[in-house]
Amino acid sequence: KAGVTQTPRYLIKTRGQQVTLSCSPISGHRSVSWYQQTPGQGLQFLFEYFSETQRNKGNFPGRFSGRQFSNSRSEMNVSTLELGDSALYLCASSLRLRQEQFFGPGTRLTVL
Amino acid sequence: DAKTTQPNSMESNEEEPVHLPCNHSTISGTDYIHWYRQLPSQGPEYVIHGLTSNVNNRMASLAIAEDRKSSTLILHRATLRDAAVYYCIPSNFGNEKLTFGTGTRLTIIP
Repeated sequence: KAGVTQTPRYLIKTRGQQVTLSCSPISGHRSVSWYQQTPGQGLQFLFEYFSETQRNKGNFPGRFSGRQFSNSRSEMNVSTLELGDSALYLCASSLRLRQEQFFGPGTRLTVL
Repeated sequence: DAKTTQPNSMESNEEEPVHLPCNHSTISGTDYIHWYRQLPSQGPEYVIHGLTSNVNNRMASLAIAEDRKSSTLILHRATLRDAAVYYCIPSNFGNEKLTFGTGTRLTIIP
C-alpha cells in the first residue's frame, strides 16, 4: 500500500507570494492533519480535516488555510508568504479520527 | 495539553536495550500516551501507544507507571536504524491534534 505522498517535495518562493501544498493520504484514510516543523519551534499542529470538514485548528494566522476533497486528498495554502514561513510542512493521515497517524516525507518550503 | 519532560539526548550501544523516559505529571485520566519517532530527513513515524497497562508491539514496549505520571519506551535491541528523535505525546483520542515537544535525540554507537 502506498504511503502518504506530498507534492512538491521542495519549493522556493519569495516574500509576498502564495503557495499551495498537496497531500494524498494512504488509500482509505479519511483524516488528514498538517504540521509545520522549524528548527526554532519544532513540530507544530496546523489543522486537521475529516470528511472534508476542518475538525481542529492550531495557533496560526489566517494566512494559513486548508481544505480536503471528497477523495480525502488535502491541500494547504499560505498566502502573503513571510521569511518565517520557511519550514518543513508535514501531512499525516489516519484511517479515521482517533487512530495512529502516518506521516508523509514533507514539503520543504524556502521563502526568500 | 499535558506537559512532557524528556531528556534532550541519550546514547546507547548497538544491540543493547534502550530505555527512553518521559514525565507527564499533568496527564489527564483520558489521555493516551503516544510515542512517535523521527528519523533523519523523514516525517515522524508512529511507534506505540497505551493508556494504563504496559504494551508491546514489533517495534518496542511501553511501560506506564501505575500513577500514569511517567512512562518508558523500551527498545529491546537497538540498531543503527533506531537513531532518531523520540517524542512522547499524551493525547486524548478524542482530540486528533498531536502536540510534539522537543523529544529525545537517540544516538546509537556501533
